[in-house]
Amino acid sequence: AQSVTQPDIHITVSEGASLELRCNYSYGATPYLFWYVQSPGQGLQLLLKYFSGDTLVQGIKGFEAEFKRSQSSFNLRKPSVHWSDAAEYFCAVAENYGGSQGNLIFGKGTKLSVKP
Amino acid sequence: EAQVTQNPRYLITVTGKKLTVTCSQNMNHEYMSWYRQDPGLGLRQIYYSMNVEVTDKGDVPEGYKVSRKEKRNFPLILESPSPNQTSLYFCASALAGKNTGELFFGEGSRLTVL
Repeated sequence: AQSVTQPDIHITVSEGASLELRCNYSYGATPYLFWYVQSPGQGLQLLLKYFSGDTLVQGIKGFEAEFKRSQSSFNLRKPSVHWSDAAEYFCAVAENYGGSQGNLIFGKGTKLSVKP
Repeated sequence: EAQVTQNPRYLITVTGKKLTVTCSQNMNHEYMSWYRQDPGLGLRQIYYSMNVEVTDKGDVPEGYKVSRKEKRNFPLILESPSPNQTSLYFCASALAGKNTGELFFGEGSRLTVL
């Protein structure tokens, strides 16, 4: 079965600084990979996803993520953080059944705080 | 409007009193799933369903039941709730099949068991 690890529980960055949130997965083949964001009191919203092809994927709100097969990682990045990016971020992995998506599993999340 | 609807949004109940949290989606999605969210533990999957009459356990199924008799509905049943089931619950749905992926979430149901 697949699993997801987000090593950082809580990260604080200054507004305007760059951001990288780490995500490592365990899966026998190339999985489907996702990043979701949850603002306080809200449900989860998809930021970006990777299925195949270009390993650098662009998402909404200026976020990007890079799939590195050799490191089993899918880290989320943003060059300049805005105060409105303060939220909890979840990495997720889904099984890849020959192109069809299976069950989705989430990491424990990384809470991002932004200093003015 | 495409949406996943959960009810109730908030509920306070007592130990042992059976309750059902409903989940309905209007997007004709095959895949549906229930998660609970607790501080420091992230989202843990309770049960999921790949299609009608097909359900499977997630990571934390104990104390919960589900059914998938119709494509649009996926109720979560707590036969005898206990205080350790106090949590925020999310229902989600997605298209199955190739390269789909995006989960659509309900707004959450906050359950307190006294």
